[in-house]
Amino acid sequence: DAGVTQSPTHLIKTRGQQVTLRCSPKSGHDTVSWYQQALGQGPQFIFQYYEEEERQRGNFPDRFSGHQFPNYSSELNVNALLLGDSALYLCASSLGQGGQPQHFGDGTRLSIL
Amino acid sequence: AQSVAQPEDQVNVAEGNPLTVKCTYSVSGNPYLFWYVQYPNRGLQFLLKYITGDNLVKGSYGFEAEFNKSQTSFHLKKPSALVSDSALYFCAVREGNAGNMLTFGGGTRLMVKP
Repeated sequence: DAGVTQSPTHLIKTRGQQVTLRCSPKSGHDTVSWYQQALGQGPQFIFQYYEEEERQRGNFPDRFSGHQFPNYSSELNVNALLLGDSALYLCASSLGQGGQPQHFGDGTRLSIL
Repeated sequence: AQSVAQPEDQVNVAEGNPLTVKCTYSVSGNPYLFWYVQYPNRGLQFLLKYITGDNLVKGSYGFEAEFNKSQTSFHLKKPSALVSDSALYFCAVREGNAGNMLTFGGGTRLMVKP
């Protein structure tokens, strides 16, 4: 039973570029959330997708956008990259909108030069 | 707004001794509380959760946590620490009716020495 998978594992970009990160949820899960974890900090919620719609959003600018596909997989897009966007980006999946725990992937390490 | 505080950046304990990692939270409604562990270069692994019911929650790898509503705390405990427990531990909260958004604390590094 595959867990949450994310790709790529590492990525290096320069300021101003755009990036797309991908996530496949754990089998049986239908809800995907994205988090940003800066070095030495706890993860911060970016947004959540359920039934192909953004359901909840954290305090992140519009440069951060996403998508969920019919097979429940998801993409995170970041435009006009800033040095401060350097972080570990974590995808988490869960079943529905209730109290079930979220299962995390190993993340994509994004470095901005 | 919901928030989580983990007052200790690092906890040091000798192998075989009991350990406690502290967490306090703030939410306006009923809290859903979680503990996760993170090993180097890995994502977060779920340890345990409290939603309702018994205040003492048992989870994976021998960990447990005690929910205290009056003190708004959810401390993580283990009776006997192992060297392999050394990792970064995160407490997280979500408000019961506020969707799936988790708010995390800043993390506590647990160091278990042989």
